[in-house]
Amino acid sequence: GNSVTQMEGPVTLSEEAFLTINCTYTATGYPSLFWYVQYPGEGLQLLLKATKADDKGSNKGFEATYRKETTSFHLEKGSVQVSDSAVYFCALKPGAAGNKLTFGGGTRVLVKP
Amino acid sequence: GAVVSQHPSWVICKSGTSVKIECRSLDFQATTMFWYRQFPKQSLMLMATSNEGSKATYEQGVEKDKFLINHASLTLSTLTVTSAHPEDSSFYICSARDPGLAGVSSYNEQFFGPGTRLTVL
Repeated sequence: GNSVTQMEGPVTLSEEAFLTINCTYTATGYPSLFWYVQYPGEGLQLLLKATKADDKGSNKGFEATYRKETTSFHLEKGSVQVSDSAVYFCALKPGAAGNKLTFGGGTRVLVKP
Repeated sequence: GAVVSQHPSWVICKSGTSVKIECRSLDFQATTMFWYRQFPKQSLMLMATSNEGSKATYEQGVEKDKFLINHASLTLSTLTVTSAHPEDSSFYICSARDPGLAGVSSYNEQFFGPGTRLTVL
């Protein structure tokens, strides 16, 4: 079956530090890959996505590249802000027509001023 | 982007009572909605897929008689937790799939509601 594994948190950083959250996946075929962010007490918001190998998703300074050879979709940001403190979820959706999202366990990020 | 709302945002109820949570797509029609459950500091667990005009499809291990889902219109799905008990306390999140138009960036994308926190005393 499909699965997503991401690094456990919490990850604590200082403002302007570099952030990497590792995410690897197991899936048949060619899944679409997503990063979602959840701020305290809120639902999930789509941060970025990639639908095929070597695609790079980017938004709000965050980037992730779909690496089929390593089955990875690591999230990076060059300079984090306090407002980036949240829980980040890596997810996959099988194929172009698949509906169900499979989520990783989530990584809590805390950015200190 | 597309907006999904949930009501209520939080609810506290007594053990044995039933609680209804609404999920609405505000600016698009969603033939498919999803209900998730999230325990503290854990990931989202898909409970069921709700299809407009037909019965919901439940994930393995989810009691369909306990968690009643109704998707009566293209913009509304409801989750009713029947005879709630303290172990049902959780954060319930819905999402709605935007069928949209192929080629549009939101095509087939899921948009999430803000969640409903249920506390059963």
